[in-house]
Order: sequence, then C-alpha cells, then structure tokens
Amino acid sequence: SELTQDPAVSVALGQTVRITCQGDSLREDYASWYKQKPGQAPQVVIYGKNNRPSGIPGRFSGFTSGGTASLTIAGAQAEDEADYYCSSRDSGANLVLFGGGTRLTVL
Amino acid sequence: QVHLEESGGGVVQPGRSLRLSCVASGFIFSSYAMHWVRQAPGKGLEWVATTSYNGDNKFYGDLVKGRFTISRDNSKNTLFLQMDGLRPEDTAVYFCAREAPPLGEFDYWGQGAPVTVSS
Repeated sequence: SELTQDPAVSVALGQTVRITCQGDSLREDYASWYKQKPGQAPQVVIYGKNNRPSGIPGRFSGFTSGGTASLTIAGAQAEDEADYYCSSRDSGANLVLFGGGTRLTVL
Repeated sequence: QVHLEESGGGVVQPGRSLRLSCVASGFIFSSYAMHWVRQAPGKGLEWVATTSYNGDNKFYGDLVKGRFTISRDNSKNTLFLQMDGLRPEDTAVYFCAREAPPLGEFDYWGQGAPVTVSS
C-alpha cells in the first residue's frame, strides 16, 4: 500500500492551501498529518480525520473520503512553511504508512 | 511532561550491528504502544517497527523485517531497536514515537538518533 502526495505546494501569505494524500487502502479513521521543520522532529497537526491536538491553531483542518485525505490551512502563516506528511494504517491497522511528504512554501 | 530521548546512534560498517535506545519519562510507559520511524538524509519519513504496550505484539516494515528487532523494558521505561546486518541504505535519523490511543497517532517524538552505515 502507498500514500501519494504532491512533492511541493506554495501558497501566498494569508491564503488557503490544501495538501492532499491519496491511497487505495487509506483508512479514514487512522488518517493523520505531521508537520516537520528542518532539523526538528515531526509534530502531529491533525489525527483521526479531523482532530487537532491542543496547541495546534484552528486554521488547520482535515478531511478524508474515498481514498483521499486532505489537510487544509486556512490563512497560511509564515510559520506554516514546512514539510507535511500524511499517515494511515494498513487494513489490519498494525502497519503504519507515510506519504512521501509535501513541502509547503508560504510566499 | 512527556519526554523521549534516543541514544546509541553512530557510524557503523556495513554488515555490523547497532542497538538504539529510547528512554521515556513523564508518562506511564508500560501503557503505550511505541514505534520507531526513520528519515534518510533529505528524504521522507519511513515507519520502521512497533511494539505493543507489553511487548507481546511486534510488527516491522518490509525493508527491515528479519534484520531489525524492536523490544522494550517496561521496568526501565526504555524502548530498543536492535539493528543487525546494517546496509548503507539504513543510514538515517531514527526517531522513537509514542502512539496515542485510540486512533494511533504519534503524539510525542524524540529528537532522533543519527545512524550512518558506511565503510
């Protein structure tokens, strides 16, 4: 099973951007998104389709349907510039899958 | 506060072994499944292995199955990754991560241990 992401996306400061993740066997309940800045560990920003951990701004939201997961940042800020990875599980929920990552540039 | 700290990384020759450790603090370690995730230089995240809260169930990624062994010592709040038969393509930063129930996201990560496999 594979999760496919666009390698790079750009957005103007303050505008809305959507990052997508496609996988034939993407399990919606286990869909999550991680943000990673250079030299840092990843940080979960969305889990379980559309749950935000405490401390993650409300401009981050998620949606999953029909084998596609999406992460939307409404009103992107400079600090949102990072690599974003989607993740899910295999059919047995034991193996973890990561997408190839999307580099977000905020212009 | 939750803290995960990896150690044991370094430079090793192909075919040799290395054992990584991840010491946990700030939570009840024995209640959580744990994972190892790696990231090769300039590349994306790759899931490596997981162990259940009590160590009874373990699963591995295809690229490391049969060479790497995940284990844990709940009495010492420590997660391990024994890496045997290392290959140059195993060169990466190795992160340990805690799995949060019930949806399984990785809610806490260590800062990573760099491993370089080179002759």
